[in-house]
Amino acid sequence: EPEVTQTPSHQVTQMGQEVILRCVPISNHLYFYWYRQILGQKVEFLVSFYNNEISEKSEIFDDQFSVERPDGSNFTLKIRSTKLEDSAMYFCASIRQGDTYEQYFGPGTRLTVT
Amino acid sequence: RKEVEQDPGPFNVPEGATVAFNCTYSNSASQSFFWYRQDCRKEPKLLMSVYSSGNEDGRFTAQLNRASQYISLLIRDSKLSDSATYLCVVNAGGYNKLIFGAGTRLAVHP
Repeated sequence: EPEVTQTPSHQVTQMGQEVILRCVPISNHLYFYWYRQILGQKVEFLVSFYNNEISEKSEIFDDQFSVERPDGSNFTLKIRSTKLEDSAMYFCASIRQGDTYEQYFGPGTRLTVT
Repeated sequence: RKEVEQDPGPFNVPEGATVAFNCTYSNSASQSFFWYRQDCRKEPKLLMSVYSSGNEDGRFTAQLNRASQYISLLIRDSKLSDSATYLCVVNAGGYNKLIFGAGTRLAVHP
């Protein structure tokens, strides 16, 4: 069964550094998402991406964040200058157009900012 | 009012018990509804979609009441492996962003 994959599984970085989190969505899916979950809190929407552009973003997704799909398979989330409060699990998800809108999540990247 | 509200639990039940979770949502324009399951430090995994007519998958039954903006999940004959956090999730429409509840924790004991 196809799965969403994410790398790395755990990333430790120092405050102010740039990080890139990578996702490979399921191959015939067309809508892509990033969510985050701070430890002990609920899952929060960050951004959706369709047709090679951002379709919607949350208030959390400020100028420090960017997404791109550089090569038709990978989907990346970049945080330019990490803050302590960016420490969280970051989940990538995707859906297939015309589906029942059931989103499938990758295993997540745990980002720790020190 | 929170967009999706759930009782945080925990629900501590013996094996074989029936347990019910409830959820309310605030946006009456929401179109799709789901229950996800999340194990500790893992990704949310889709348990089932929820339809107005109600739907059942084995030991799990989900119901939706649009008029009351209320969603429920019933688990019959609980197993130890059902221990997890159950997330009530609403599709906010547009480009299908999901709005998550904070989750209800279930602990099934022998």
